Amino acid sequence: EAEVAQSPRYKITEKSQAVAFWCDPISGHATLYWYRQILGQGPELLVQFQDESVVDDSQLPKDRFSAERLKGVDSTLKIQPAELGDSAMYLCASSFRRLDTEAFFGQGTRLTVV
Amino acid sequence: GDSVTQMEGPVTLSEEAFLTINCTYTATGYPSLFWYVQYPGEGLQLLLKATKADDKGSNKGFEATYRKETTSFHLEKGSVQVSDSAVYFCALSNTGKLIFGQGTTLQVKP
Repeated sequence: EAEVAQSPRYKITEKSQAVAFWCDPISGHATLYWYRQILGQGPELLVQFQDESVVDDSQLPKDRFSAERLKGVDSTLKIQPAELGDSAMYLCASSFRRLDTEAFFGQGTRLTVV
Repeated sequence: GDSVTQMEGPVTLSEEAFLTINCTYTATGYPSLFWYVQYPGEGLQLLLKATKADDKGSNKGFEATYRKETTSFHLEKGSVQVSDSAVYFCALSNTGKLIFGQGTTLQVKP
């Protein structure tokens, strides 16, 4: 069964360091999402891609976060510099089309900033 | 803006008890509604969905009905099992972007 792949599963980094997460969506899925889930809360959208284009990054803290999906397939989310408040689960999801009613989630990357 | 409100947890039940987790929403237009489940340390899995008013989504014994008049999408199961212990998220989507509630933790004891 096709899955959304994310790596690493866990990451511990020191405050002010750079950190990057990778996501490989289900083959053929044009829409890719990055969500952040703070412990005890629901996920919140950081950025949405349609193929290689950003269609929504209104909640992305652009002073420190960046995201790219250069060839419209896999994607990287970067934080530089990391802050203590960035500790969270970072979830990637994909769907076949932008307005599809079902998104498939990866297992997430648990980030701890110390 | 659009939002989802879920009943606060944790919800603790004995095995075979009846489950209800309340979910209400605020949204423009006619969103699709979802329930996702998250097991410890894992990502989210779609449990069920409904795309228009009066639709009933169902899966693995769980059900939820899209009630436009009360803007609700309550999750129910007639007889819970220990393996149902997890965090349940209600969500809506108007444009593909999902807006989640804060989640409700369910603990089922043998």
